[in-house]
Amino acid sequence: QKEVEQNSGPLSVPEGAIASLNCTYSDRVSQSFFWYRQYSGKSPELIMSIYSNGDKEDGRFTAQLNKASQYVSLLIRDSQPSDSATYLCAVRSSGDKLTFGTGTRLAVRP
Amino acid sequence: GAVVSQHPSWVICKSGTSVKIECRSLDFQATTMFWYRQFPKQSLMLMATSNEGSKATYEQGVEKDKFLINHASLTLSTLTVTSAHPEDSSFYICSARGGAITDTQYFGPGTRLTVL
Repeated sequence: QKEVEQNSGPLSVPEGAIASLNCTYSDRVSQSFFWYRQYSGKSPELIMSIYSNGDKEDGRFTAQLNKASQYVSLLIRDSQPSDSATYLCAVRSSGDKLTFGTGTRLAVRP
Repeated sequence: GAVVSQHPSWVICKSGTSVKIECRSLDFQATTMFWYRQFPKQSLMLMATSNEGSKATYEQGVEKDKFLINHASLTLSTLTVTSAHPEDSSFYICSARGGAITDTQYFGPGTRLTVL
């Protein structure tokens, strides 16, 4: 069974700090990796996608992928209270479906 | 770009009635649409995958006769919850894949269903 694992948290960081969110996956043939943010009571919104090993930066967000170790991470620089949400890691192995992790709850303290 | 809408955003209905939820991709053609359900403090649960013009593929344990999915066009999919019961109360979210980055799923805002 394809699995995506995330620490449920909460991960608490002070405002301005770097938040580091991690995700591991079990299916070695996974090809596409996504980070979504979900505020309480809302639907997920896409933050970033990553397909190749290494880092991908978009503003304050950096996604990191290491296929050999089967992990993907998301760094949030200069964390803001508005970043407080649940962050979902999603992996596409083959076919249409995404496999989601259970999410990591991030709390940014003012 | 890549905007997905859902209607209604919330609905309250009586037990035994049917409820239809619409999902539209507003600025791209969605080759595939997905329907998820999320209970409080739980992760997303995929219910079914639908492609335009063909029958939906349901996940194990999801009753296809209870949750009717119609994907009539490249921009519209509907989910009908038939004979709704209180245990069907949940947050239903659709997503659509297509557009410039065909690998990515974009989510609608969700529909909160409460069955009395």
